[in-house]
Amino acid sequence: AQKITQTQPGMFVQEKEAVTLDCTYDTSDPSYGLFWYKQPSSGEMIFLIYQGSYDQQNATEGRYSLNFQKARKSANLVISASQLGDSAMYFCAMREGHSGSARQLTFGSGTQLTVLP
Amino acid sequence: EPEVTQTPSHQVTQMGQEVILRCVPISNHLYFYWYRQILGQKVEFLVSFYNNEISEKSEIFDDQFSVERPDGSNFTLKIRSTKLEDSAMYFCASSGGGGSQPQHFGDGTRLSIL
Repeated sequence: AQKITQTQPGMFVQEKEAVTLDCTYDTSDPSYGLFWYKQPSSGEMIFLIYQGSYDQQNATEGRYSLNFQKARKSANLVISASQLGDSAMYFCAMREGHSGSARQLTFGSGTQLTVLP
Repeated sequence: EPEVTQTPSHQVTQMGQEVILRCVPISNHLYFYWYRQILGQKVEFLVSFYNNEISEKSEIFDDQFSVERPDGSNFTLKIRSTKLEDSAMYFCASSGGGGSQPQHFGDGTRLSIL
């Protein structure tokens, strides 16, 4: 079974509108972390936002927020007030296990977001 | 802001040759990783490294691969005898430890095997 599922291969959004990118995950470990990364066409991977499994509140970082629904095992990324520079591939990733260990990230297949002027 | 540095940005190598990809992680980070991304596909974990030894490795990381931290700053990935299917973008990442610490990625090395 896929550990991270991103069901939207491509999304379009109008500039200045909000957009939600979906991510569901599968783990039996009670301790895990969820991450979102942005990959522009130039190829680098840019960390956006983190949500821990024990965090009570949804994470926010500027225009990025995470809609974390633990019971549904979903961690959707919300980008508010989209900008043309937000056009990129977005990856959801999960790290399982306790803190302090060199645990791998497992990535989803990504969502290509295009912001339209 | 400190960043992970990878060299070279692009490496072209003949099949069967050895290649070494180099990374300078963020200086106070303790955990180091290599990932790869075949063109158009998802990012795949290769190996993690902590306290001068491999912490985890994936099925991809077979005997053709090795990692080393030869000094206090560099972290290298060696592929002994490259195959066509090794062509990919290779990312180095580092993290400071702690569950909430993100892995910071370098800009990647695009490896092309001819």
